[in-house]
Amino acid sequence: GAVVSQHPSRVICKSGTSVKIECRSLDFQATTMFWYRQFPKQSLMLMATSNEGSKATYEQGVEKDKFLINHASLTLSTLTVTSAHPEDSSFYICSAREGSGAIEQFFGPGTRLTVL
Amino acid sequence: SQKIEQNSEALNIQEGKTATLTCNYTNYSPAYLQWYRQDPGRGPVFLLLIRENEKEKRKERLKVTFDTTLKQSLFHITASQPADSATYLCALLNQAGTALIFGKGTTLSVSS
Repeated sequence: GAVVSQHPSRVICKSGTSVKIECRSLDFQATTMFWYRQFPKQSLMLMATSNEGSKATYEQGVEKDKFLINHASLTLSTLTVTSAHPEDSSFYICSAREGSGAIEQFFGPGTRLTVL
Repeated sequence: SQKIEQNSEALNIQEGKTATLTCNYTNYSPAYLQWYRQDPGRGPVFLLLIRENEKEKRKERLKVTFDTTLKQSLFHITASQPADSATYLCALLNQAGTALIFGKGTTLSVSS
């Protein structure tokens, strides 16, 4: 089956620094990638949708200048949390879809971000 | 706006019994609905998809039903095992039809 990887799996950073999380589709080309955030005991909340080569579409309430998303190739999307604060500590999960007509989204294993 | 509710936050059952999880949705008529399994500290894993014109779908010990009149899906695990203990999420496409949105999940605990 299709595999999506994320790197790093865990990151701890100081408040005010920026953190980059990578999401890769390993065995398929992902025309669309998604970024979700999950707080403890909560559901996955969609942050943004990105199509390869174009700007990401952010969900209401998600600051695009704080959460920078780049989808420069069909196998890689990155999420950069800029000037991170403790309230940004969360579990970030990416997913990928193969084509515009595809239904299934394949999820990465997640990245645990802790901001001190 | 569309809403997905998984009524039970937690469900505890004995090994061998059937677990039944509920997913209700409002303000939307999805073409299909999906169920995922999520283990602690991991991303969701796809289990089953059921389309609006399908009443029931089965995969090994899993069964999903979809009632578009009631706006409800039921997810059953028969002959449950401790290894089935996890959080189960239902998901629908958002109104734009571009991405999945999820319910809060039901955490199933199967005791031996």
